[in-house]
Amino acid sequence: AQSVTQLDSQVPVFEEAPVELRCNYSSSVSVYLFWYVQYPNPGLQLLLKYLSGSTLVKGINGFEAEFNKSQTSFHLRKPSVHISDTAEYFCAVIQTGANNLFFGTGTRLTVIP
Amino acid sequence: ETGVTQTPRHLVMGMTNKKSLKCEQHLGHNAMYWYKQSAKKPLELMFVYNFKEQTENNSVPSRFSPECPNSSHLFLHLHTLQPEDSALYLCASSQDEETEEAFFGQGTRLTVV
Repeated sequence: AQSVTQLDSQVPVFEEAPVELRCNYSSSVSVYLFWYVQYPNPGLQLLLKYLSGSTLVKGINGFEAEFNKSQTSFHLRKPSVHISDTAEYFCAVIQTGANNLFFGTGTRLTVIP
Repeated sequence: ETGVTQTPRHLVMGMTNKKSLKCEQHLGHNAMYWYKQSAKKPLELMFVYNFKEQTENNSVPSRFSPECPNSSHLFLHLHTLQPEDSALYLCASSQDEETEEAFFGQGTRLTVV
């Protein structure tokens, strides 16, 4: 079975500062990894995904994430955040060939002016 | 706008009421999903439909009854709910149940009183 851990429930950061949101997963088989963002308008939107190939994945809105198989991590980063990045961020994992996305509990990113 | 539309956006219902949530997608996808998002908990997959056939039911109580009349529409019928069922219910779709990326609707905020 897979599981996803987002250690930080809340991350406050000043505008234009860098940010890293941590995600660790556990799985005994190969997986795909995702980061979703949930704005106050509450639908989930895909930020980026890792399926295979380069371990550094670039997504929308200037976000990127790096897949580290040895550390079973998929941390999300942005070099300079904006006020509009304030939202809830969810890491998710799916076993390749399966249909069940497992989500973490989310990290609330608050960008402070 | 992700192409997945949910109605209503907000619903307040009594424990003896019967109501239905509706989800519609015009993306040509064949798989549709219901997720429950409660405060401080990971998103929980409730049901999966692939080509109108239910392929997964994650031990959801029978007071939740899904219906998938065609690949574009998914309903969640609710009856005799409990206050702890109050949550955001998210619908998602994907090309098929083995495709990696799911597109989410904006959700229905359900309050059971």
